[in-house]
Amino acid sequence: QSALTQPRSVSGSPGQSVTISCTGTSSDVGANKYVSWYQQHPGKAPKLMIYDVDKRPSGVPDRFSGSKSANTASLTISGLQAEDEADYYCYSFAGSYTFVLFGGGTKLTVL
Amino acid sequence: EVQLVESGGALVQPGASLRLSCAASGFTFSGYSMNWVRQAPGKGLEWVSYISSTGETMFHADSVQGRFTISRDNAKNLVSLQMNSLRDEDTAVYFCASAGVLTGYYKFGFDYWGPGTLVTVSS
Repeated sequence: QSALTQPRSVSGSPGQSVTISCTGTSSDVGANKYVSWYQQHPGKAPKLMIYDVDKRPSGVPDRFSGSKSANTASLTISGLQAEDEADYYCYSFAGSYTFVLFGGGTKLTVL
Repeated sequence: EVQLVESGGALVQPGASLRLSCAASGFTFSGYSMNWVRQAPGKGLEWVSYISSTGETMFHADSVQGRFTISRDNAKNLVSLQMNSLRDEDTAVYFCASAGVLTGYYKFGFDYWGPGTLVTVSS
């Protein structure tokens, strides 16, 4: 099964909002609420930012929000800050056969 | 504080074997499933293997099926990845990641990650 589809890059100025999309199929993203988002700075491990489509772990700023419509999940970052510049990956649980799919990753540049 | 620390990465030749380990602390290790996720240089994340909390259930990605085996020792809070018949395309940083510790259910994704260990397969 192919990876989930994300834009390769997005950009925004400090204070603006950006949205990163993650498109899958009715067998993965569209099938359940098992969608999460990860932030990865260069040379670091990924960090969980959103899980269960729209839930934030403790410590993640409320500037980060998640949503889903049909087979597409989205991560919105509002009030962009310089430290938000990173790679972002979406994740979906895809059933007992494929198990897990990641998106190809989106590089966020804060201008 | 939850900590995951991988070890065992090395430079090996194609066809060789290598065993990675991940030491866990700061949570009830035996209560949660664990995973290995890898990232080739300059590339995205790729899930590799899953093991249930008891070790009874394991899944592997098609790309490593039959070559890699995940295991765990709940008495020692360790999860391991035995990698055989290594190929050039297995070159990557390998991350150990927990599932369900923070989120409450393993299907919600990987909540804590180790810093990773580099495996390089090259002649």
